[in-house]
Amino acid sequence: DTEVTQTPKHLVMGMTNKKSLKCEQHMGHRAMYWYKQKAKKPPELMFVYSYEKLSINESVPSRFSPECPNSSLLNLHLHALQPEDSALYLCASSQNPGQSNSPLHFGNGTRLTVT
Amino acid sequence: ILNVEQSPQSLHVQEGDSTNFTCSFPSSNFYALHWYRWETAKSPEALFVMTLNGDEKKKGRISATLNTKEGYSYLYIKGSQPEDSATYLCAPFYGNNRLAFGKGNQVVVIP
Repeated sequence: DTEVTQTPKHLVMGMTNKKSLKCEQHMGHRAMYWYKQKAKKPPELMFVYSYEKLSINESVPSRFSPECPNSSLLNLHLHALQPEDSALYLCASSQNPGQSNSPLHFGNGTRLTVT
Repeated sequence: ILNVEQSPQSLHVQEGDSTNFTCSFPSSNFYALHWYRWETAKSPEALFVMTLNGDEKKKGRISATLNTKEGYSYLYIKGSQPEDSATYLCAPFYGNNRLAFGKGNQVVVIP
């Protein structure tokens, strides 16, 4: 069982909908990440939060809006998405931001379909 | 965009056989190399993190080596078992919390 919990597991939404993906970890990790993964492609980094502050935004369109309410929670708010945004969205955490030997702990992901 | 190449992309291995595959990556500004195992319907799980040239790590029947000067890492599976079937992701770390993932080596162990 993963120690990083993502909800929902599956989400189908229309292009005019607003929805949110949620991620939670209780390992005391101070870095949290959102990755996007499309079939047969590597996971692509979207956002990194270090000590609850946004430290990296990989030029992600504004229809994706991350939020870190506290050190255990990470949200990804979705609005006006396009069908090409359909993908697996993975949340991850690591103990120490910027520490190269700190492995990532992943959630099971949310499979998003935009219709 | 960092070019992380994993080969072969897909391989079928007979149960009991040993196998290995390669990750190659740009070696400049390199900090560490992560390997993850990703089983179907589960989350990616960290296998190894290596930092030094010549590092070798082992976990059960799986081991990995690292060459930071030429920018490659090998992953070995000894005596493959069906539970080794998974995608193995290589991810070099270049600092500033950026892991650059490869596409993965998809391994299917045939009983």
